[in-house]
Amino acid sequence: DQQVKQNSPSLSVQEGRISILNCDYTNSMFDYFLWYKKYPAEGPTFLISISSIKDKNEDGRFTVFLNKSAKHLSLHIVPSQPGDSAVYFCAAPSPRIQGAQKLVFGQGTRLTINP
Amino acid sequence: DAGVIQSPRHEVTEMGQEVTLRCKPISGHDYLFWYRQTMMRGLELLIYFNNNVPIDDSGMPEDRFSAKMPNASFSTLKIQPSEPRDSAVYFCASSLVDWGEQFFGPGTRLTVL
Repeated sequence: DQQVKQNSPSLSVQEGRISILNCDYTNSMFDYFLWYKKYPAEGPTFLISISSIKDKNEDGRFTVFLNKSAKHLSLHIVPSQPGDSAVYFCAAPSPRIQGAQKLVFGQGTRLTINP
Repeated sequence: DAGVIQSPRHEVTEMGQEVTLRCKPISGHDYLFWYRQTMMRGLELLIYFNNNVPIDDSGMPEDRFSAKMPNASFSTLKIQPSEPRDSAVYFCASSLVDWGEQFFGPGTRLTVL
């Protein structure tokens, strides 16, 4: 049961243009979302998050948009830079069950920025 | 802070051997997580601890896998006996809360021949 889905395994974008990475979720109880970035041979690092009380959160070149009715979020990177080439994961905390709560990750999207 | 530390970074072993992966979380973090990343399944949670106590081990694939956290600064993930299908990158992460930002280690790339 894939509760968080990233349907595009890969994306290629020209340097300087906008990169848009998409993520869909199935559980309407998710109320907080995170994006992680992962370089080869390194662990994922936190990038940006958004609470369900907002529909947009911006941090420099990175903006995350949340559409609750569509159960969809997207990460925009403007302008894209070669250093942005990485795998991006979206994640959401699962509803707490018997005191336990965990992050559910999407499959990841490999972003390649071409010079 | 040095971040989450994992050892070894690479492990190559033969089928049937015991494998032990080690993790040192960030000091002060109450939560520790073990993940496995594969091409087929992506990043999947195996088990997590709160204050050294296992909270959710529903992701542990089978009895061959076990994890311990004897104190706040050390955890192990053991596979015995190992099988080729266990080949993956194993990440350890720690955090202040279970629902928020987690800090990942560099991972251990395990290859079982």
